[in-house]
Amino acid sequence: GAVVSQHPSWVICKSGTSVKIECRSLDFQATTMFWYRQFPKQSLMLMATSNEGSKATYEQGVEKDKFLINHASLTLSTLTVTSAHPEDSSFYICSARGDAYNEQFFGPGTRLTVL
Amino acid sequence: AQTVTQSQPEMSVQEAETVTLSCTYDTSESNYYLFWYKQPPSRQMILVIRQEAYKQQNATENRFSVNFQKAAKSFSLKISDSQLGDTAMYFCAFESQGGSEKLVFGKGTKLTVNP
Repeated sequence: GAVVSQHPSWVICKSGTSVKIECRSLDFQATTMFWYRQFPKQSLMLMATSNEGSKATYEQGVEKDKFLINHASLTLSTLTVTSAHPEDSSFYICSARGDAYNEQFFGPGTRLTVL
Repeated sequence: AQTVTQSQPEMSVQEAETVTLSCTYDTSESNYYLFWYKQPPSRQMILVIRQEAYKQQNATENRFSVNFQKAAKSFSLKISDSQLGDTAMYFCAFESQGGSEKLVFGKGTKLTVNP
């Protein structure tokens, strides 16, 4: 199967700072990328869908200005958590889908801790 | 909107035995995909098996098989010859065909395989 990477795998930041998480498709072109948030012992909650070169589509209740998503190329999408607060602490997972595949491939996730 | 329900928060099984995880869903669509994902302690999401709704034949992947009952909107996962490495969270997911490609996840079932 195709491989998706995320960087960093774990980040700690101070309240009020911004954090950027990268999601890369390593061996295929990802026309669509998805960003999920997962709280401990809970399911994945879709935050937004991004298509290369287009603005992301956010799910209801997700703050666009806080969670900035950029899908600048067919292999890279970034999620920036702006002015992070402790309640933003969570596990963030990206997935990618390309035209050659009929399924989403998931990254390994990023654990964000805001102090 | 589609919903996915997993009614078993936790299950356990002895090594080498068989276990079945339940999933029901609600949709008005006739064409869609159903998935079972595994999330081990590493938290990497792994696709276990997928089923296209238009196919009557149940999907199988080695020790994993599904019982797809379209009329009943039921999609259970059977794991045969359970192994210690099967210990994980299992999520059932729904995807519309030809739509936004978004996955709708159930809340998950935590499966523990005991030696």
